[in-house]
Amino acid sequence: GESVGLHLPTLSVQEGDNSIINCAYSNSASDYFIWYKQESGKGPQFIIDIRSNMDKRQGQRVTVLLNKTVKHLSLQIAATQPGDSAVYFCAENIIGGKLIFGQGTELSVKP
Amino acid sequence: KAGVTQTPRYLIKTRGQQVTLSCSPISGHRSVSWYQQTPGQGLQFLFEYFSETQRNKGNFPGRFSGRQFSNSRSEMNVSTLELGDSALYLCASSLGTAGGYNEQFFGPGTRLTVL
Repeated sequence: GESVGLHLPTLSVQEGDNSIINCAYSNSASDYFIWYKQESGKGPQFIIDIRSNMDKRQGQRVTVLLNKTVKHLSLQIAATQPGDSAVYFCAENIIGGKLIFGQGTELSVKP
Repeated sequence: KAGVTQTPRYLIKTRGQQVTLSCSPISGHRSVSWYQQTPGQGLQFLFEYFSETQRNKGNFPGRFSGRQFSNSRSEMNVSTLELGDSALYLCASSLGTAGGYNEQFFGPGTRLTVL
């Protein structure tokens, strides 16, 4: 069936360290992959996306890596800050406005 | 530009009742997608509406329905509520242009509790 899964349900890092959040996906037909951040009491907030014909994309302090061979996606956050504490979801877009989400990883940043 | 708004933010219902949730997309966005978020199942796609027509549908029973108005505002309805329908219901809007992916912007959600 359709699924996007995360390897680690929780991640705790020290402020200033780099964070890496991983995700596995199952649908080879997906054309976009997206990372969202969700803070308590809020809806998911877009972080960065990557098209299936790319293997790396960088944003401000974030980098997404896509490995289609093993169907793996990762989000790297540089110099993690307390404000980065949240649940992070990967999602894949198969068609139109339909996103398939992973289960989420909770990132906790210790000051 | 105003973001996606959802009303009400919180709702308490009893089993067997029905409920209607509302979503106002970002101005200019024509696509509205709905998602259900629960601790056990995570974020699951319900359906997408574009130009007043359901364009995509997830794997939910017929008790879950929706519609979209000419101003792109959308409503979703859940009939004969069950305890398992307790969840955060999120809507997301996007430009919805044909041919694939458009960035989706999420609202804050409606927290539905079924007693």
